[in-house]
Amino acid sequence: DAGVIQSPRHEVTEMGQEVTLRCKPISGHNSLFWYRQTMMRGLELLIYFNNNVPIDDSGMPEDRFSAKMPNASFSTLKIQPSEPRDSAVYFCASSLSQNEKLFFGSGTQLSVL
Amino acid sequence: GIQVEQSPPDLILQEGANSTLRCNFSDSVNNLQWFHQNPWGQLINLFYIPSGTKQNGRLSATTVATERYSLLYISSSQTTDSGVYFCAVALYGNKLVFGAGTILRVKS
Repeated sequence: DAGVIQSPRHEVTEMGQEVTLRCKPISGHNSLFWYRQTMMRGLELLIYFNNNVPIDDSGMPEDRFSAKMPNASFSTLKIQPSEPRDSAVYFCASSLSQNEKLFFGSGTQLSVL
Repeated sequence: GIQVEQSPPDLILQEGANSTLRCNFSDSVNNLQWFHQNPWGQLINLFYIPSGTKQNGRLSATTVATERYSLLYISSSQTTDSGVYFCAVALYGNKLVFGAGTILRVKS
């Protein structure tokens, strides 16, 4: 299996621009998670889906952040408008079900100038 | 919310040495996982271990859920073991809360 696939690997944008991060979970996995990693706050869960349905979005920092999972093989995390404090590594992860081993993608390094 | 404390915060080892990393958590959990983040940023799942003991090659882990701690053992360390080791726990499902990590550097 190819693992969790994220794109792009790096994104540099200017403040105010819209940013869209993409994720393809491992085939057959029913749970998908978006995490953000910063030096100050470590790894934080933003939102997770089970069977394509958002279950908990309490970690989404502001209304500028939104996530969708239109089907079992694709999810997006959108930031609009972006701000410099959004700069971080964003990870997508998936698991077979809600209480199984979690597998991470390679992450997207986002820099907002 | 649940608190996760990892120790030591950082560790330097000579190649071939053994080490023990500790994870303490503040509440009863039904999910505990150990991860290794390599120097390139990739997060690798090492163990899913809510209780008991597991071994995988030179690595092993033990979780004593009733006493709210888990240990990760690295034997005969190699330079490729360098990176950050994270413990993550969840009260339910996979809503994992990560500790701050232990930074490990193995010198040749």
